[in-house]
Amino acid sequence: EVQVVESGGGLVKPGGSLRLSCAASGFTFSSYSMVWVRQAPGKGLDYVSSISSGGSYTFYADSVRGRFSISRDNAKNSLYLQMNGLRAEDTAVYYCGRGGSGSGSYVDVWGEGTTVTVSS
Amino acid sequence: QSVLTQPPSVSAAPGQKVTISCSGSSSNIGNNYVCWYQQLPGTAPKLLIYENNKRPSGIPDRFSGSKSGTSATLGITGLQTGDEADYYCGTWDSSLSAWVFGGGTKLTVL
Repeated sequence: EVQVVESGGGLVKPGGSLRLSCAASGFTFSSYSMVWVRQAPGKGLDYVSSISSGGSYTFYADSVRGRFSISRDNAKNSLYLQMNGLRAEDTAVYYCGRGGSGSGSYVDVWGEGTTVTVSS
Repeated sequence: QSVLTQPPSVSAAPGQKVTISCSGSSSNIGNNYVCWYQQLPGTAPKLLIYENNKRPSGIPDRFSGSKSGTSATLGITGLQTGDEADYYCGTWDSSLSAWVFGGGTKLTVL
């Protein structure tokens, strides 16, 4: 079964750090780009970051650039998101997703999400 | 403020048809493929449409997508109560070098 499973969420104080992980299974992880998308409580989807299949290319939303870092370990079928300098507005459910294999930018496999709460 | 503009809500009766619009610009919809997601209450999003009008395996043909210029439209026919959900459009923005989403549209099946 093709799936991605996020972990690493939790409660952190403003200014703190957290590292999210995403474990992929059921597909050739190294062949796909991957993405992090978040959703604040009661709000819509919000792109965070994406990474190419080989890890050479990374992209970030303006709101997280310089604070968050995306990476992957193809040998471990894992995606990561290192989050530093966390702010209250980073509170959200963070979804890991597999980039589609077609020409467009889309997520064809979503995880169930991991919750990050930034509060003192 | 989302880069892509969607109506906050739409509604229609069971069995009827509804369309959801998504408006952008030349840096996003105008020059890139559009996708659509369905998010049922309390669940993760699910891909409905990719590359403007293609349906992943398992998505019924009641769902359709189209694009014209800098706008895209999701169509749903034969509405069912199970279609009640939030729907999001998405694409790549070449100016931002980032994925962008619409603000989401809540569908109510009356």
